[in-house]
Amino acid sequence: EDQVTQSPEALRLQEGESSSLNCSYTVSGLRGLFWYRQDPGKGPEFLFTLYSAGEEKEKERLKATLTKKESFLHITAPKPEDSATYLCAVRGQGGKLIFGQGTELSVKP
Amino acid sequence: EAGVAQSPRYKIIEKRQSVAFWCNPISGHATLYWYQQILGQGPKLLIQFQNNGVVDDSQLPKDRFSAERLKGVDSTLKIQPAKLEDSAVYLCASSLGQGLQPQHFGDGTRLSIL
Repeated sequence: EDQVTQSPEALRLQEGESSSLNCSYTVSGLRGLFWYRQDPGKGPEFLFTLYSAGEEKEKERLKATLTKKESFLHITAPKPEDSATYLCAVRGQGGKLIFGQGTELSVKP
Repeated sequence: EAGVAQSPRYKIIEKRQSVAFWCNPISGHATLYWYQQILGQGPKLLIQFQNNGVVDDSQLPKDRFSAERLKGVDSTLKIQPAKLEDSAVYLCASSLGQGLQPQHFGDGTRLSIL
């Protein structure tokens, strides 16, 4: 059964304090791994798609990387506006998008 | 480009009542999804449409949930009768196709069952 586990569940950072979020997955035939950002009261907002191990994508202070078993979302010098819940999802051969439970990030000034 | 539109934003009903949610996807998006997101969890797929046909409804509780997408554009999701455990946010998403194109989400309907 396809499964996604994210850690930590919650992360509190000071502004400028870099860190990483982890997404571990088991899936039959990974077709793609997706990162989303979700603000309170809003729907998930698409950030990145990663397709194969070794791939990296960057957007502003965010960088996503992928291995055969996990993905990392690195946040460099975060700002308070980066506070949100970050969701990881995988699509396997079954075609369905399976989401993790998310990491709630709080960045204090 | 207009995003995915959903209504209502909030709904409060008593258990055993019925409720319906509406979704208008991004123009030109053939694939439409309904997700259930319980507090503290990631979204869980309920049903997927390709145009006006159902692709996957394996996780839809069919004894109480129903969904339709007439004319391959707008969609409605209905719950009848509602149970306490149906309290959640119901998210609609759309994508260009069934492949690896990213899904774009609306802001959801927050349903509370009393």
